[in-house]
Amino acid sequence: DTGVSQDPRHKITKRGQNVTFRCDPISEHNRLYWYRQTLGQGPEFLTYFQNEAQLEKSRLLSNRFSAERPKGSFSTLEIQRTEQGDSAMYLCASSFGTPGNTIYFGEGSWLTVV
Amino acid sequence: TQLLEQSPQFLSIQEGENLTVYCNSSSVFSSLQWYRQEPGEGPVLLVTVVTGGEVKKLKRLTFQFGDARKDSSLHITAAQPGDTGLYLCAGALEKLVFGKGTKLTVNP
Repeated sequence: DTGVSQDPRHKITKRGQNVTFRCDPISEHNRLYWYRQTLGQGPEFLTYFQNEAQLEKSRLLSNRFSAERPKGSFSTLEIQRTEQGDSAMYLCASSFGTPGNTIYFGEGSWLTVV
Repeated sequence: TQLLEQSPQFLSIQEGENLTVYCNSSSVFSSLQWYRQEPGEGPVLLVTVVTGGEVKKLKRLTFQFGDARKDSSLHITAAQPGDTGLYLCAGALEKLVFGKGTKLTVNP
């Protein structure tokens, strides 16, 4: 088991460009989460999936953000028309079963918008 | 409004000292998880506590879940420089909600 993997680990993009991050959860984990973390802060919830269904989206997730998990396995998080305020680490996590079960994080994808 | 209040936010101590980090909420959680995070890396799970009043030990780290499952503490005995990092508590509802973290620095 390789754990949760995220790609790319680092991305530098110009303001206005689109970026996409991929997350591969631990196999057989049915729940997948996206969080965003800025320097000095704890992770902030963005959205989560149970299998392929997106069950909750945070108000932080503006209409420039979209997340998918088409086959209930890997997930993508796309940010359109990036802004400097989008610079952060985007964390993916997964868990199995019901809420309250342990959630495991990937190493994160750093985004810098210049 | 922060759902989970974590304190202190910063802590700088000498090697060998003991410390306690607190995590408090008005919400009841189905479980509470503690993570440690290094700069530029994702959070790494330390422990999950599930039962009110539960105490778990991990070498020099002792974790306690409050009886009402609203609060938790992390106690480190005889801290070492290798304990330096960001410690995060996270309460489980439908998703995890995090505190702001405690940045611990242990000086040799």
